[in-house]
Amino acid sequence: EAGVTQFPSHSVIEKGQTVTLRCDPISGHDNLYWYRRVMGKEIKFLLHFVKESKQDESGMPNNRFLAERTGGTYSTLKVQPAELEDSGVYFCASSSLGQGNSPLHFGNGTRLTVT
Amino acid sequence: GDSVTQMEGPVTLSEEAFLTINCTYTATGYPSLFWYVQYPGEGLQLLLKATKADDKGSNKGFEATYRKETTSFHLEKGSVQVSDSAVYFCALPPYNQGGKLIFGQGTELSVKP
Repeated sequence: EAGVTQFPSHSVIEKGQTVTLRCDPISGHDNLYWYRRVMGKEIKFLLHFVKESKQDESGMPNNRFLAERTGGTYSTLKVQPAELEDSGVYFCASSSLGQGNSPLHFGNGTRLTVT
Repeated sequence: GDSVTQMEGPVTLSEEAFLTINCTYTATGYPSLFWYVQYPGEGLQLLLKATKADDKGSNKGFEATYRKETTSFHLEKGSVQVSDSAVYFCALPPYNQGGKLIFGQGTELSVKP
């Protein structure tokens, strides 16, 4: 089975520009999560989708971040306008519905650099 | 709130050396505990897990024991290889919040031949 796929793998943009990250979860996985690791620090939760609905978006830093999952398949995370502190690695993860504390399947991440 | 604290890196070892990466946690209840690994250029992979106190998770020669009395889940390997060079993350799910995970800051391991 194909794993979680993220695109692009790297993105370098200037402050004030817009960037959209994409995540394709494992087929059939209803849970989709976004995480971020900034500057070698801990990986932090951003938000959680169950199918197309936002279950928990408590980790979203501010309203410059917009996540969508139309149709309950792939998800996008848009940053507009980007700031320097948004630089980091953005991870997506997925799991089947009802797995509770079971481990997540992660993508390779998108490394975002804002200059 | 729930939290995870890992020893800071980077850690540099020679091949065949003994490895310990410390992880302590604060949590409501008794959550499952995980170690994830990120090899260069790859995504996070589950390395091992333990679901209750005194459980020992193991995989690829790595072990970690869920110690309730010391709230710890230290990662150990008796003889590291160059291919073990990676970043290691300790993690737990916050109480009653399903698949969401709280991670430690990660420990970078570099193994030299």
